Amino acid sequence: ILNVEQSPQSLHVQEGDSTNFTCSFPSSNFYALHWYRWETAKSPEALFVMTLNGDEKKKGRISATLNTKEGYSYLYIKGSQPEDSATYLCAPSGNTPLVFGKGTRLSVIA
Amino acid sequence: EPEVTQTPSHQVTQMGQEVILRCVPISNHLYFYWYRQILGQKVEFLVSFYNNEISEKSEIFDDQFSVERPDGSNFTLKIRSTKLEDSAMYFCASRAVSPEKLFFGSGTQLSVL
Repeated sequence: ILNVEQSPQSLHVQEGDSTNFTCSFPSSNFYALHWYRWETAKSPEALFVMTLNGDEKKKGRISATLNTKEGYSYLYIKGSQPEDSATYLCAPSGNTPLVFGKGTRLSVIA
Repeated sequence: EPEVTQTPSHQVTQMGQEVILRCVPISNHLYFYWYRQILGQKVEFLVSFYNNEISEKSEIFDDQFSVERPDGSNFTLKIRSTKLEDSAMYFCASRAVSPEKLFFGSGTQLSVL
């Protein structure tokens, strides 16, 4: 089972601020890195699935980068909005099912 | 958009009782999963299921747990004799062969008293 660390655990930002957080994972036996967004009282929703070193994916104001050699991924949110408030989970997959980090809980204050 | 549905949304049971949590995965998906989250902790993998058999299970998934796909649409998790520490939010998820992203249900909150 892969170990994954996410930092920070929680984050408070003002509306309009840009922010980023980190997912660290073992670089050996890497297959893919998933990012999920989990709003309170809803189920986790897939944001990105990334496989290639140097890959960058974008969905609106949210983007993610991947470094498989050093074992980390960054998630960026540009111009945070209150509706971005959620827990952001990352999950690497190797030859095992997804193992989630504890997540970064983002609160965007209007 | 198709979605994974879970029932019930809340289940309260006495310690030692059996519970069955139900899930209807997205119809053309072939891989099925159960995860759980104990309050304040991270989402933990329990079991994966493919081709009518368990493909992977965690150490949490002991003999008290079982999964079944009884009729080609439902995917159930049974806990034979619940313990207090089984109290958690249980999520079912499914995915297609490709892409690998998981689609989660809205969860069943299990409370063992």
